[in-house]
Amino acid sequence: GEDVEQSLFLSVREGDSSVINCTYTDSSSTYLYWYKQEPGAGLQLLTYIFSNMDMKQDQRLTVLLNKKDKHLSLRIADTQTGDSAIYFCAESMPGGSYIPTFGRGTSLIVHP
Amino acid sequence: DGGITQSPKYLFRKEGQNVTLSCEQNLNHDAMYWYRQDPGQGLRLIYYSQIVNDFQKGDIAEGYSVSREKKESFPLTVTSAQKNPTAFYLCASSIQPGRGNEQFFGPGTRLTVL
Repeated sequence: GEDVEQSLFLSVREGDSSVINCTYTDSSSTYLYWYKQEPGAGLQLLTYIFSNMDMKQDQRLTVLLNKKDKHLSLRIADTQTGDSAIYFCAESMPGGSYIPTFGRGTSLIVHP
Repeated sequence: DGGITQSPKYLFRKEGQNVTLSCEQNLNHDAMYWYRQDPGQGLRLIYYSQIVNDFQKGDIAEGYSVSREKKESFPLTVTSAQKNPTAFYLCASSIQPGRGNEQFFGPGTRLTVL
């Protein structure tokens, strides 16, 4: 089955690092994504990682993948107030025509 | 500028009425998708289309209908059969269906049933 789990809220202080966690259940997942949604807007792809990778870094963003535990995390370094948004984890796999299955989203609140 | 547009941004409907949400893209993408988003919920797939004149039901297609007569357009009709239509509706497109291709999202339409 397909199920993506995320915690609903995360609060951090500006300048600290944020770590948003996600677990998925289908070991055949091929692509794992992180999307960002600002209030009242659509989703924007931040980054994605192939299942044969352990880590991907892109400027302030670091994605870590633990395939054994089916755990994905997104680390945002030097978190800014502009990073406040909802972050969605998603997975896709061949059996689902590669259409992503989304988690419920984690609301990141950044305090000054 | 290339992108996806959705209209209207806000839509109000009386119970028993059908309404149609517009989604247009000028990215020359083959695949288009409709999602529904409720507070505290992830995105749930309503319908998707991988090619013109063809579309498939997603996880929550009941009470909705779509058409794909043109590559650029994928309108969604919320029918009176949809019992709880108040939600935020997101349209997306991708170059080809799946294979890790990035989905580009429109700004969304918020539908409220009065």
